[in-house]
Amino acid sequence: KQEVTQIPAALSVPEGENLVLNCSFTDSAIYNLQWFRQDPGKGLTSLLLIQSSQREQTSGRLNASLDKSSGRSTLYIAASQPGDSATYLCAVRPQGYSTLTFGKGTMLLVSP
Amino acid sequence: DAGVIQSPRHEVTEMGQEVTLRCKPISGHNSLFWYRQTMMRGLELLIYFNNNVPIDDSGMPEDRFSAKMPNASFSTLKIQPSEPRDSAVYFCASSPAVAGGLYEQYFGPGTRLTVT
Repeated sequence: KQEVTQIPAALSVPEGENLVLNCSFTDSAIYNLQWFRQDPGKGLTSLLLIQSSQREQTSGRLNASLDKSSGRSTLYIAASQPGDSATYLCAVRPQGYSTLTFGKGTMLLVSP
Repeated sequence: DAGVIQSPRHEVTEMGQEVTLRCKPISGHNSLFWYRQTMMRGLELLIYFNNNVPIDDSGMPEDRFSAKMPNASFSTLKIQPSEPRDSAVYFCASSPAVAGGLYEQYFGPGTRLTVT
């Protein structure tokens, strides 16, 4: 059974710092990996989706990498801002399945 | 596009009552997913439909939970009778299932259910 782990569970940084969020999964047979952002009391917003054949995806200040063989992904946020404060969730779609398996998220607080 | 629409946004009910959550997926999407989120267990898939047909309901916790998708633009998740441990945020998501596509999932705002 696929399991997804996110470390750290919570992170607090001052504005302007570059930071890395980690995601690991137990079964490397995945179709894709998706990073989401969740604001308090809100739904999930998709940030980046990486296909299993890809190594990384970039969107603005966000960069997500994927190392399928080691079962790891990282989300890099450059020049963090208070508006980046949210919970970031990683989810993998196993091969042969249409569903996602989620990690429990990293709660990020960026202070001014 | 309005995105995935869920109603109600908040529901407070007493133990034993029936609860019905509603979802309208994004037009043109033919996969629909129901998730439940709690602090303890995170996000868990309850059931998903493809072309209105339930494909995997192994995440439905008990017979008290049931889900339907009578057409491509509407789905319901029903809990009868409800219990305090059902208190959670319930999300609906939809995805376009195009061969070779990204299968990216789009989430609704969720329904926060409180059972007292």
